[in-house]
Amino acid sequence: GAVVSQHPSRVICKSGTSVKIECRSLDFQATTMFWYRQFPKQSLMLMATSNEGSKATYEQGVEKDKFLINHASLTLSTLTVTSAHPEDSSFYICSAISPGAPGQPQHFGDGTRLSIL
Amino acid sequence: GNSVTQMEGPVTLSEEAFLTINCTYTATGYPSLFWYVQYPGEGLQLLLKATKADDKGSNKGFEATYRKETTSFHLEKGSVQVSDSAVYFCALHSGGSNYKLTFGKGTLLTVNP
Repeated sequence: GAVVSQHPSRVICKSGTSVKIECRSLDFQATTMFWYRQFPKQSLMLMATSNEGSKATYEQGVEKDKFLINHASLTLSTLTVTSAHPEDSSFYICSAISPGAPGQPQHFGDGTRLSIL
Repeated sequence: GNSVTQMEGPVTLSEEAFLTINCTYTATGYPSLFWYVQYPGEGLQLLLKATKADDKGSNKGFEATYRKETTSFHLEKGSVQVSDSAVYFCALHSGGSNYKLTFGKGTLLTVNP
């Protein structure tokens, strides 16, 4: 089945550091990727939609200068949390889709646990 | 707008018990419906899906039927196992080119031996 790889799985770093998270579709071309944030015991919150070769579309309330998204190829999207602070600590999950027939599911990575000290 | 309402947990069952997690939705048009499962510390995995009314999605002993008349997509399993312990999310995609999913809040299932 479709596989999405997310790296790293866990990051612990100091406040002020910028952190890059990679999301790769391993066996399909993902024209669209999504980035989510998940707080403990809560559902996923969509941060942005990333389309290959174009600027990401951010959801209301998400700071685009804080969360930089790049989708330079059909298999790779990156999320960079710039100048991270403790309130940015969270579980970040990406997903990818290869648009086609109606009902195509999103395929999710295993998430990145970000802890800012 | 679109919304998904699912049974709030946590749900605690004994092994081999019958499971139902209710999910109802509000959407325009003809949405596709999904159940995803999240094991501790991991991302989401697609469990099953249905794309039109009366379709039944099934996988690993889990089933859900797309009921347009009741706008529901309840998840069922006849005999749960300890390994089924996870958070289950009901989600819909209402069509269109943005492919965004609307998620329910998730239901934590714990199965005891």
